[in-house]
Amino acid sequence: GAVVSQHPSRVICKSGTSVKIECRSLDFQATTMFWYRQFPKKSLMLMATSNEGSKATYEQGVEKDKFLINHASLTLSTLTVTSAHPEDSSFYICSARDSVLALDEQYFGPGTRLTVT
Amino acid sequence: AQSVSQHNHHVILSEAASLELGCNYSYGGTVNLFWYVQYPGQHLQLLLKYFSGDPLVKGIKGFEAEFIKSKFSFNLRKPSVQWSDTAEYFCAVTLKAAGNKLTFGGGTRVLVKP
Repeated sequence: GAVVSQHPSRVICKSGTSVKIECRSLDFQATTMFWYRQFPKKSLMLMATSNEGSKATYEQGVEKDKFLINHASLTLSTLTVTSAHPEDSSFYICSARDSVLALDEQYFGPGTRLTVT
Repeated sequence: AQSVSQHNHHVILSEAASLELGCNYSYGGTVNLFWYVQYPGQHLQLLLKYFSGDPLVKGIKGFEAEFIKSKFSFNLRKPSVQWSDTAEYFCAVTLKAAGNKLTFGGGTRVLVKP
Protein backbone atom coordinates (compact mmCIF):
# COMPACT_ATOMS: atom_id res chain seq x y z
CA GLY A 1 0.00 0.00 0.00
CA ALA A 2 0.84 3.65 -0.16
CA VAL A 3 3.43 4.62 2.42
CA VAL A 4 4.47 8.06 3.55
CA SER A 5 7.50 8.57 5.74
CA GLN A 6 8.64 11.53 7.79
CA HIS A 7 12.05 12.38 9.09
CA PRO A 8 12.90 12.99 11.82
CA SER A 9 10.27 11.45 14.05
CA ARG A 10 11.33 13.63 16.96
CA VAL A 11 13.45 16.75 17.16
CA ILE A 12 14.41 19.05 19.97
CA CYS A 13 15.89 22.40 19.09
CA LYS A 14 16.76 25.64 20.78
CA SER A 15 14.73 28.78 20.39
CA GLY A 16 15.86 30.81 17.39
CA THR A 17 17.15 27.91 15.33
CA SER A 18 15.56 26.40 12.23
CA VAL A 19 14.36 22.85 11.80
CA LYS A 20 13.68 20.96 8.59
CA ILE A 21 11.17 18.13 8.40
CA GLU A 22 11.05 15.81 5.40
CA CYS A 23 8.01 14.05 4.01
CA ARG A 24 8.45 11.32 1.43
CA SER A 25 6.04 9.21 -0.56
CA LEU A 26 7.82 5.88 -0.76
CA ASP A 27 5.98 3.93 -3.41
CA PHE A 28 3.96 6.48 -5.34
CA GLN A 29 4.29 9.91 -6.88
CA ALA A 30 2.67 12.86 -5.23
CA THR A 31 2.33 16.21 -6.96
CA THR A 32 0.36 17.37 -3.96
CA MET A 33 1.31 16.97 -0.32
CA PHE A 34 -0.20 18.54 2.74
CA TRP A 35 1.21 19.73 6.02
CA TYR A 36 -0.84 19.60 9.20
CA ARG A 37 -0.26 20.59 12.75
CA GLN A 38 -1.79 18.70 15.65
CA PHE A 39 -1.93 20.20 19.11
CA PRO A 40 -2.16 17.94 22.17
CA LYS A 41 -5.58 16.35 22.45
CA LYS A 42 -6.74 18.36 19.45
CA SER A 43 -7.55 17.68 15.86
CA LEU A 44 -5.37 18.22 12.81
CA MET A 45 -5.17 21.70 11.39
CA LEU A 46 -4.17 22.10 7.76
CA MET A 47 -1.25 24.47 7.47
CA ALA A 48 -0.49 24.41 3.76
CA THR A 49 -0.76 22.54 0.51
CA SER A 50 2.56 21.71 -1.07
CA ASN A 51 2.61 21.63 -4.87
CA GLU A 52 5.46 20.02 -6.78
CA GLY A 53 7.34 22.59 -8.79
CA SER A 54 5.38 25.59 -7.57
CA LYS A 55 4.73 27.65 -4.48
CA ALA A 56 2.86 26.21 -1.56
CA THR A 57 -0.60 27.44 -0.72
CA TYR A 58 -0.93 28.47 2.90
CA GLU A 59 -4.06 28.47 5.00
CA GLN A 60 -5.27 31.65 6.60
CA GLY A 61 -3.26 32.57 9.65
CA VAL A 62 -0.21 30.47 8.77
CA GLU A 63 2.95 32.52 8.30
CA LYS A 64 4.58 31.49 5.04
CA ASP A 65 7.89 33.10 5.98
CA LYS A 66 8.03 31.09 9.17
CA PHE A 67 6.93 27.75 7.76
CA LEU A 68 8.87 27.35 4.52
CA ILE A 69 7.69 24.58 2.25
CA ASN A 70 9.62 23.15 -0.67
CA HIS A 71 8.30 20.41 -2.94
CA ALA A 72 11.20 19.86 -5.29
CA SER A 73 10.35 16.38 -6.51
CA LEU A 74 7.38 14.10 -6.93
CA THR A 75 8.25 12.19 -3.79
CA LEU A 76 9.63 14.79 -1.38
CA SER A 77 8.27 17.82 0.41
CA THR A 78 10.07 19.63 3.19
CA LEU A 79 8.78 21.92 5.91
CA THR A 80 11.29 24.24 7.53
CA VAL A 81 10.31 25.94 10.75
CA THR A 82 12.44 29.06 10.78
CA SER A 83 13.51 30.86 13.94
CA ALA A 84 11.58 28.40 16.03
CA HIS A 85 10.01 29.45 19.31
CA PRO A 86 8.48 27.38 22.10
CA GLU A 87 4.98 28.07 20.78
CA ASP A 88 5.98 26.22 17.59
CA SER A 89 6.32 23.03 19.60
CA SER A 90 3.78 20.65 18.17
CA PHE A 91 3.19 17.47 16.21
CA TYR A 92 3.61 18.05 12.49
CA ILE A 93 2.03 15.58 10.11
CA CYS A 94 2.28 15.39 6.36
CA SER A 95 0.09 13.59 3.89
CA ALA A 96 0.31 12.87 0.20
CA ARG A 97 -2.12 12.23 -2.60
CA ASP A 98 -1.28 9.72 -5.32
CA SER A 99 -0.91 11.68 -8.55
CA VAL A 100 -1.31 8.67 -10.82
CA LEU A 101 -4.44 7.26 -9.23
CA ALA A 102 -5.76 10.79 -8.75
CA LEU A 103 -8.14 9.69 -6.04
CA ASP A 104 -9.38 12.05 -3.38
CA GLU A 105 -7.56 10.14 -0.68
CA GLN A 106 -4.58 11.19 1.38
CA TYR A 107 -1.97 8.93 2.93
CA PHE A 108 -0.53 10.15 6.17
CA GLY A 109 2.98 10.08 7.53
CA PRO A 110 3.75 9.09 11.11
CA GLY A 111 4.34 12.66 12.21
CA THR A 112 7.24 14.63 13.65
CA ARG A 113 7.20 15.85 17.21
CA LEU A 114 8.98 19.18 17.49
CA THR A 115 10.00 20.53 20.86
CA VAL A 116 11.52 23.99 21.02
CA THR A 117 13.32 24.79 24.25
CA ALA B 1 -17.01 28.56 6.53
CA GLN B 2 -16.85 24.82 6.12
CA SER B 3 -16.76 22.81 9.32
CA VAL B 4 -16.95 19.29 10.61
CA SER B 5 -18.27 18.51 14.07
CA GLN B 6 -17.99 15.37 16.11
CA HIS B 7 -20.47 15.32 18.95
CA ASN B 8 -18.61 13.19 21.45
CA HIS B 9 -15.16 14.11 22.68
CA HIS B 10 -14.75 11.04 24.84
CA VAL B 11 -16.49 7.69 24.81
CA ILE B 12 -15.91 4.91 27.31
CA LEU B 13 -17.45 1.52 26.81
CA SER B 14 -16.93 -2.13 27.57
CA GLU B 15 -15.85 -4.84 25.17
CA ALA B 16 -18.66 -6.24 23.05
CA ALA B 17 -20.68 -3.05 23.38
CA SER B 18 -21.85 -1.29 20.25
CA LEU B 19 -20.25 1.95 19.17
CA GLU B 20 -21.66 4.86 17.25
CA LEU B 21 -19.77 8.10 16.71
CA GLY B 22 -21.56 11.08 15.27
CA CYS B 23 -20.20 13.34 12.56
CA ASN B 24 -21.92 16.31 10.90
CA TYR B 25 -20.59 18.67 8.29
CA SER B 26 -21.74 22.06 7.12
CA TYR B 27 -21.31 22.08 3.34
CA GLY B 28 -23.84 22.42 0.61
CA GLY B 29 -21.79 21.09 -2.26
CA THR B 30 -20.44 17.73 -3.34
CA VAL B 31 -18.40 16.15 -0.59
CA ASN B 32 -16.21 13.14 -0.02
CA LEU B 33 -16.29 11.76 3.50
CA PHE B 34 -13.72 9.88 5.53
CA TRP B 35 -13.18 8.33 8.91
CA TYR B 36 -9.61 8.02 10.15
CA VAL B 37 -8.32 6.25 13.24
CA GLN B 38 -5.22 7.05 15.25
CA TYR B 39 -4.14 4.30 17.60
CA PRO B 40 -1.94 5.30 20.53
CA GLY B 41 1.50 6.20 19.24
CA GLN B 42 0.63 5.48 15.64
CA HIS B 43 -0.15 7.54 12.58
CA LEU B 44 -3.52 8.20 11.03
CA GLN B 45 -5.05 5.30 9.16
CA LEU B 46 -8.04 5.33 6.88
CA LEU B 47 -10.99 3.33 8.23
CA LEU B 48 -13.41 3.96 5.41
CA LYS B 49 -14.47 6.52 2.86
CA TYR B 50 -17.52 7.57 0.90
CA PHE B 51 -17.29 9.10 -2.54
CA SER B 52 -20.58 8.10 -4.15
CA GLY B 53 -22.99 5.19 -4.52
CA ASP B 54 -24.30 3.09 -1.65
CA PRO B 55 -24.53 5.40 1.36
CA LEU B 56 -23.75 2.54 3.71
CA VAL B 57 -20.01 2.06 3.56
CA LYS B 58 -18.09 -0.82 5.05
CA GLY B 59 -14.52 -0.32 6.15
CA ILE B 60 -11.76 -2.22 7.81
CA LYS B 61 -11.91 -3.91 11.22
CA GLY B 62 -15.68 -4.28 11.18
CA PHE B 63 -16.47 -0.58 10.99
CA GLU B 64 -19.19 0.90 8.84
CA ALA B 65 -20.60 4.36 8.28
CA GLU B 66 -23.79 5.71 6.81
CA PHE B 67 -23.99 8.86 4.74
CA ILE B 68 -27.32 10.64 5.23
CA LYS B 69 -27.29 13.57 2.85
CA SER B 70 -30.43 15.19 4.24
CA LYS B 71 -28.89 15.29 7.69
CA PHE B 72 -25.37 16.19 6.54
CA SER B 73 -24.19 13.28 8.64
CA PHE B 74 -21.69 10.45 8.32
CA ASN B 75 -21.88 8.44 11.53
CA LEU B 76 -19.44 5.65 12.28
CA ARG B 77 -20.62 2.38 13.80
CA LYS B 78 -19.27 -0.91 15.01
CA PRO B 79 -21.63 -3.56 16.43
CA SER B 80 -19.20 -5.07 18.93
CA VAL B 81 -16.00 -3.32 19.98
CA GLN B 82 -12.79 -4.85 21.19
CA TRP B 83 -10.16 -3.55 23.55
CA SER B 84 -7.93 -2.98 20.50
CA ASP B 85 -10.40 -0.39 19.20
CA THR B 86 -9.16 2.02 21.83
CA ALA B 87 -8.03 4.97 19.73
CA GLU B 88 -8.93 8.43 18.56
CA TYR B 89 -11.33 8.65 15.65
CA PHE B 90 -11.50 11.54 13.23
CA CYS B 91 -14.18 12.36 10.74
CA ALA B 92 -12.97 14.35 7.73
CA VAL B 93 -14.52 15.91 4.68
CA THR B 94 -13.28 17.22 1.38
CA LEU B 95 -15.27 19.66 -0.66
CA LYS B 96 -14.64 19.72 -4.40
CA ALA B 97 -15.32 23.43 -4.53
CA ALA B 98 -12.60 23.98 -1.94
CA GLY B 99 -9.89 22.15 -3.82
CA ASN B 100 -10.44 18.85 -2.07
CA LYS B 101 -8.66 19.93 1.08
CA LEU B 102 -9.36 17.74 4.08
CA THR B 103 -11.16 19.36 6.97
CA PHE B 104 -11.09 17.34 10.16
CA GLY B 105 -13.55 17.13 12.98
CA GLY B 106 -12.32 17.57 16.52
CA GLY B 107 -11.86 13.87 17.10
CA THR B 108 -13.38 11.41 19.54
CA ARG B 109 -11.28 9.49 22.02
CA VAL B 110 -12.65 6.01 22.50
CA LEU B 111 -11.61 3.89 25.45
CA VAL B 112 -12.70 0.28 25.44
CA LYS B 113 -12.45 -1.40 28.82
CA PRO B 114 -11.55 -5.10 28.77
